[in-house]
Amino acid sequence: DSGVTQTPKHLITATGQRVTLRCSPRSGDLSVYWYQQSLDQGLQFLIQYYNGEERAKGNILERFSAQQFPDLHSELNLSSLELGDSALYFCASSVGAGAANYGYTFGSGTRLTVV
Amino acid sequence: AQRVTQPEKLLSVFKGAPVELKCNYSYSGSPELFWYVQYSRQRLQLLLRHISRESIKGFTADLNKGETSFHLKKPFAQEEDSAMYYCALSGALHFGGYNKLIFGAGTRLAVHP
Repeated sequence: DSGVTQTPKHLITATGQRVTLRCSPRSGDLSVYWYQQSLDQGLQFLIQYYNGEERAKGNILERFSAQQFPDLHSELNLSSLELGDSALYFCASSVGAGAANYGYTFGSGTRLTVV
Repeated sequence: AQRVTQPEKLLSVFKGAPVELKCNYSYSGSPELFWYVQYSRQRLQLLLRHISRESIKGFTADLNKGETSFHLKKPFAQEEDSAMYYCALSGALHFGGYNKLIFGAGTRLAVHP
């Protein structure tokens, strides 16, 4: 167990729907990062939050949004889902605002299937 | 621009053969480099940090600033090494002062019996 908890592990939903993915960072970590991993692509950075504030944005679609709550857990909201949104969504956390010397700790991911 | 390049999508070797997974980076400052491993699309696990100069599961990686490389090596591959390997770069410059990990595209290592 890495200490980063992601729920649910699997999600199957229809096109056009909206889903929420949840991430609890490792205890003591203030930063949360979201990544998308499709079959034909590597890791795509979506967004980072640090202590409740958005810190960095990557290739995140407008249909997607995220937030980090006062207890530091984070949610990634995906709406108007398309078949191409089917992917593994990983959450990672780090102690500070960045990777520093320790890198990130990853969760086990949520496998989203859009049918 | 900050970039991590892993030139090989797939590296296929036989058990017992030496392995070298290539990683080149582009960064103007002093980088911190990492290798992550992902087994069967499970979570990414930190394998090595260049700053700690450690050896994990027989893998080593040396930072070569002259060649801007951080290749991952293992003298004798095992079947259980089959996985996806990602090289990542962290640097404070140009990221608003905050270190962000930039990942390479990954190399799939397949070790055959």
